[in-house]
Amino acid sequence: EVQLLESGGGLTQRGGSLRLSCAASGFTFTNYAMTWVRQAPGKGLEWVSVISGSGNSIYYADSVKGRFTISRDNSENTIHLQMNSLRAEDTAVYYCAKGTEKYCSSVSRYDYWGQGTLVSVSS
Amino acid sequence: QSVLTQPPSASGTPGQRVTISCSGSTSNIGDNTVNWYQQFPGTAPKLLIYNNNQRPSGVPDRFSGSKSGTSASLAISGLQSEDEADYYCAAWDDSLSGSVVFGGGTKLTVL
Repeated sequence: EVQLLESGGGLTQRGGSLRLSCAASGFTFTNYAMTWVRQAPGKGLEWVSVISGSGNSIYYADSVKGRFTISRDNSENTIHLQMNSLRAEDTAVYYCAKGTEKYCSSVSRYDYWGQGTLVSVSS
Repeated sequence: QSVLTQPPSASGTPGQRVTISCSGSTSNIGDNTVNWYQQFPGTAPKLLIYNNNQRPSGVPDRFSGSKSGTSASLAISGLQSEDEADYYCAAWDDSLSGSVVFGGGTKLTVL
């Protein structure tokens, strides 16, 4: 059974940092790209970043480029999202999701999602 | 404002057929496949339709997807009360450095 468990969310001040983690199990981790998608309170889904199975290919949304860094530890079946210079508009539930291919370019299909972790940035 | 445009709301009565549109451009829907996600309040999104018109295992055949040019549609036939949820379209966008873009979401109400 595929399981994705996010952690690391919490309350921080504007300009602060947080590191989210997503622990995966139930599938061959290195074979799949992984992504972060967020959802602000009462708003729609916003894609944040994606990393390929090998970790060699990474993409970011313009809204987080230069502030967020995605990474993966294939020995621990975990991905991370390092979030720096946080802004009030980064307040959201952050979901990690599993891709269906090893590569991440040209793909928007994510078949398993975690339950999300809430990040709150106070201004 | 979302790159992909969806109507904010849709509604229908039980048994009806409802369609939700998703409009984009050549850099996203025009050149890439469209996926649809269903989300109930307080829960994570669920993949509903992939590669424009394919259903994952377990998704009822009441749900169908289509794509034409730079637009896509999700159709729900035989509407049921449990279909009341938010629906999002998504596609890869080739512009600039590449990204995934979502529609703004459509809240479906079963009257």
